[in-house]
Amino acid sequence: AQKITQTQPGMFVQEKEAVTLDCTYDTSDQSYGLFWYKQPSSGEMIFLIYQGSYDEQNATEGRYSLNFQKARKSANLVISASQLGDSAMYFCAMKSGGYQKVTFGIGTKLQVIP
Amino acid sequence: NAGVTQTPKFQVLKTGQSMTLQCAQDMNHEYMSWYRQDPGMGLRLIHYSVGAGITDQGEVPNGYNVSRSTTEDFPLRLLSAAPSQTSVYFCASRGQNTGELFFGEGSRLTVL
Repeated sequence: AQKITQTQPGMFVQEKEAVTLDCTYDTSDQSYGLFWYKQPSSGEMIFLIYQGSYDEQNATEGRYSLNFQKARKSANLVISASQLGDSAMYFCAMKSGGYQKVTFGIGTKLQVIP
Repeated sequence: NAGVTQTPKFQVLKTGQSMTLQCAQDMNHEYMSWYRQDPGMGLRLIHYSVGAGITDQGEVPNGYNVSRSTTEDFPLRLLSAAPSQTSVYFCASRGQNTGELFFGEGSRLTVL
């Protein structure tokens, strides 16, 4: 069974500082993918970053990077130089299984402090 | 570019009523799915489909029906609404070989 675990219900970070949001996953599949999404208070789901299980390098997209540690089954999101607009819910997700269905974690609420 | 379109955005139902949430995508994506979002529970997968005529259950399928007669459309049916189905519903799709899951804007359903 596929499972995503996010253990930080809420996080605070000072503006301009870096922050790491934790995500661990469980799957018996060899081929899978990991995502992070941002959900601001307006409610839309915004795609941030994707990492495939066979990708050797950690994914990066601007200020976002995914710290992929396969042996530990972790896929932490690192946001560098936090901005006030980064305040939002962040969801980790995984696609796996025969049909590569996508399952989500419960999310982490990030608040950036001026 | 329309992407994923969900309707309606808001709906209030009485217990026992039926309704259909519509979802359409114009990206020729094979994979489509429905999630519900409840406070403290993240997004939970209700049903998903990997192509026309193929659907499967997710984590919380009870009380919901789906069908996929075309690549573009993936409606979610509530046959007899219950207050426990009060939630925000998201439809999402992705291509066969792409990573990103594209989301609709969400539909807020209240069952009284």
